Amino acid sequence: QVQLQQSRPGLVKPSQTLSLTCVISGDSVSSNSAAWNWIRQSPSRGLEWLGRTYYRSKWNYNYAASVKGRITVSPDTSRNQFSLQLNSVTPEDTALYYCVRSGGPLDYWDQGTLVTVSS
Amino acid sequence: QSVLTQPPSASGTPGQRVTISCSGGSSNIGRNSATWYQQLPGTAPKLLIYNGNQRPSGVPDRFSGSQSGTSGSLAISGLQPEDEADYYCASWDGSLNGWVFGGGTKLTVL
Repeated sequence: QVQLQQSRPGLVKPSQTLSLTCVISGDSVSSNSAAWNWIRQSPSRGLEWLGRTYYRSKWNYNYAASVKGRITVSPDTSRNQFSLQLNSVTPEDTALYYCVRSGGPLDYWDQGTLVTVSS
Repeated sequence: QSVLTQPPSASGTPGQRVTISCSGGSSNIGRNSATWYQQLPGTAPKLLIYNGNQRPSGVPDRFSGSQSGTSGSLAISGLQPEDEADYYCASWDGSLNGWVFGGGTKLTVL
């Protein structure tokens, strides 16, 4: 059974960098049949896909246009985890952040972590 | 503004059949399948239907999906009080190269 567990940063100041890490158990970040996604949810924006990484002979990355230029999703094979970095955050980045596996559909979600951007 | 369009609300009484629609375009549902999620209060979305009409193990067969052209729909038959939740559709968008979602439908069991 795949399980995903996030770190919990909580509060981030405006203009700083939001960093989250998702630890994977029951699968491998280097899997040739899965991708590893970050999705957020807020009342104003609903569910919003942010980006993903996946391995198919080499590492690949896709990012949403809404955050491109500010986002980096990185795999860490030694710790079997992947991370999200979102730079220059504003209060609009306040949301519940999920790490999600897609083995086809978005099938395994973690419990989510609330990130608040506030001074 | 969500890429996929869902009605904001739906309702039904116990035992009834309810349908929730999801309208997309040629780059998402029209090319790939619709996926459906159930989100109970305070929990993460849970996969209900994928590939348009497939159910993961453990999802009751009261939940079914269908697809036609650029639209998909979720049907819940034999409605139960515990089905009261938010329901979201999603699809991979080949033009945006990312997952897109509907705005969600709040289902009330009267």
